[in-house]
Amino acid sequence: AQTVTQSQPEMSVQEAETVTLSCTYDTSENNYYLFWYKQPPSRQMILVIRQEAYKQQNATENRFSVNFQKAAKSFSLKISDSQLGDTAMYFCAFRGRLQGAQKLVFGQGTRLTINP
Amino acid sequence: GAVVSQHPSWVICKSGTSVKIECRSLDFQATTMFWYRQFPKQSLMLMATSNEGSKATYEQGVEKDKFLINHASLTLSTLTVTSAHPEDSSFYICSARRLSGPSYEQYFGPGTRLTVT
Repeated sequence: AQTVTQSQPEMSVQEAETVTLSCTYDTSENNYYLFWYKQPPSRQMILVIRQEAYKQQNATENRFSVNFQKAAKSFSLKISDSQLGDTAMYFCAFRGRLQGAQKLVFGQGTRLTINP
Repeated sequence: GAVVSQHPSWVICKSGTSVKIECRSLDFQATTMFWYRQFPKQSLMLMATSNEGSKATYEQGVEKDKFLINHASLTLSTLTVTSAHPEDSSFYICSARRLSGPSYEQYFGPGTRLTVT
């Protein structure tokens, strides 16, 4: 079974700084998807960024980028020029592509606080 | 587009009663809907996967007779917590996958907070 591990329960940085959230996963599949979701205090899950395993190029969405290391099964999220609105829980998630395994598996989450 | 709603957003019920939570895809048809449970300061745990017109598939350890899931149409799935107990108090989140479009896309509802007294 796939597992996702986020080893940083909490992180805190000053506004405008850059912060990196770590995520590792375990799978025997070669083709899969990885995601970072944001859950602000409203509890609404918001997709931040997606990476397809067969793509070597790291995904980027404005201030958000990932460092995808397939061999190491590592998928970290970098937030540049952090803003107060980035304060939230961040979940790393894995989704396989094999039939019967197409469900999201979430990590434990990292609580990120951006301080003014 | 791709909006998912949940109703109610917050419900309090007495122990022993049943409560129904609705999950609707407002502007798309959803072949598959997922139900998650989230305890305070914890991650989302998948409870079950429901496909329109067929029985839900429950994750290991989830009591299917206690958490009844009905996916009667391509826009509506319901979760009924039967004979609720205080330990069922939690935040319940649904998500939906489009009938058309990439299969990896999942859209989340805003969640329902259930408190059993």
